[in-house]
Amino acid sequence: KNQVEQSPQSLIILEGKNCTLQCNYTVSPFSNLRWYKQDTGRGPVSLTIMTFSENTKSNGRYTATLDADTKQSSLHITASQLSDSASYICVVSDGDFGNEKLTFGTGTRLTIIP
Amino acid sequence: DGGITQSPKYLFRKEGQNVTLSCEQNLNHDAMYWYRQDPGQGLRLIYYSQIVNDFQKGDIAEGYSVSREKKESFPLTVTSAQKNPTAFYLCASSFASGSTYEQYFGPGTRLTVT
Repeated sequence: KNQVEQSPQSLIILEGKNCTLQCNYTVSPFSNLRWYKQDTGRGPVSLTIMTFSENTKSNGRYTATLDADTKQSSLHITASQLSDSASYICVVSDGDFGNEKLTFGTGTRLTIIP
Repeated sequence: DGGITQSPKYLFRKEGQNVTLSCEQNLNHDAMYWYRQDPGQGLRLIYYSQIVNDFQKGDIAEGYSVSREKKESFPLTVTSAQKNPTAFYLCASSFASGSTYEQYFGPGTRLTVT
């Protein structure tokens, strides 16, 4: 069964600090890995998508890494801001182009305090 | 949330009643999806449609029905047969981006059944 596990479940950090969120997956075959940000009561918003051949991708202060050999990904947030408070969801896609199925992690709830 | 609208944002129904959740997109995307989100769980796929007048069951389709008469619209009906309908429902649409499908989510509808 395909699974995506995220850690930690929740994290509280001071504004301005950096943090790293983890994602481990057992999805086969692997197509791509996505990170989404979801504010409370809102829909998820895509941060990055990485295919097998990409091992790092940045989107502003967000940097995602992918190690396809160990089936691990991380999302690093630099110089956190209060607006970064949200749930961060790791999603892994399997299957062929045009016929993908997404497996969602349960998310890491990040809280930034002033 | 881009060009995807879901209405209403909050919906309350009595047990035994069918209810229809609206999803409209103006992004000209071919594919549309319905997910359910419950506390502590990853998003789960209910139904998806890759073209007009065609749709497929996802992982948890029992108790739900959909239609896709127009490219822009993909309404979801939660029937009285759905045992635990109270949840946050998310609609998404996608287009091909390189070798993968970028999914955009709507703002969600929170359904409460009592």
